[in-house]
Amino acid sequence: DVKVTQSSRYLVKRTGEKVFLECVQDMDHENMFWYRQDPGLGLRLIYFSYDVKMKEKGDIPEGYSVSREKKERFSLILESASTNQTSMYLCASSPAGAVQPQHFGDGTRLSIL
Amino acid sequence: GDSVTQMEGPVTLSEEAFLTINCTYTATGYPSLFWYVQYPGEGLQLLLKATKADDKGSNKGFEATYRKETTSFHLEKGSVQVSDSAVYFCALTENGRTSYDKVIFGPGTSLSVIP
Repeated sequence: DVKVTQSSRYLVKRTGEKVFLECVQDMDHENMFWYRQDPGLGLRLIYFSYDVKMKEKGDIPEGYSVSREKKERFSLILESASTNQTSMYLCASSPAGAVQPQHFGDGTRLSIL
Repeated sequence: GDSVTQMEGPVTLSEEAFLTINCTYTATGYPSLFWYVQYPGEGLQLLLKATKADDKGSNKGFEATYRKETTSFHLEKGSVQVSDSAVYFCALTENGRTSYDKVIFGPGTSLSVIP
C-alpha cells in the first residue's frame, strides 16, 4: 500500500523556535508538496519540489523554507515560528507527469505558543 | 485569478439519501477538475478527476461531470453510507501558468451521514 508518512501528528512549539516538519514517501515519486490547511481557506500550497534539490515557491512561502536532499524525503522548515503559523500541515506526492497531488500524509497539527 | 467555490457545509444526510455537493469554478484557460476526500483523522485522497469538457469522473459510487457551459463540477452519489462521512474538496489545475500545474482547492464541504 502506498504511503506518505509525516513524522508527527501533533507538535507544540514556541514563538521564535526553528521548526522542522518531515515527510517521507515510499512510492518513488518525483513530485512532493507541502500545504497548510486552515478552516474556510482549503489547502494552500507552500512549496513544491519536482526533483531532488529542486523546489518552487507556492502561494504562501513567506516564513518557510524546504529541503529535498533525497528523493523520498521533503522537509518543511519554519525559520522562526510565529503564532500565525499555527495550522494543519499536509505533505503530498505524485509521480512525474501528474503534478496534481495524489497521495497525502495524515497531517501534522502544529501549534505555536 | 482562478478560483473554486463550493457549497457551504456542513451537510447532514440520512443513510441511503442522494448526495449532491455543488462546485463551480472560475478559470481563464482549460483546467482539469478534481474531487478529493478527507476522512476523519486522515490526509486527503484523490477521489476522481476530469480533464476536459463533458468528461465524467467516477469512483466508489461518486460521479462528477465537467460542465464547461456552467463552469461546474458537482459531486453526486445515489445512496450515501455512514462511511462516506468526510470533508470533500473540489479543486482545479491552472494549466500552463508556471512550470507546473498549480492546484487550487476549494474550502471543503463537510458531510455527515447518520444511520
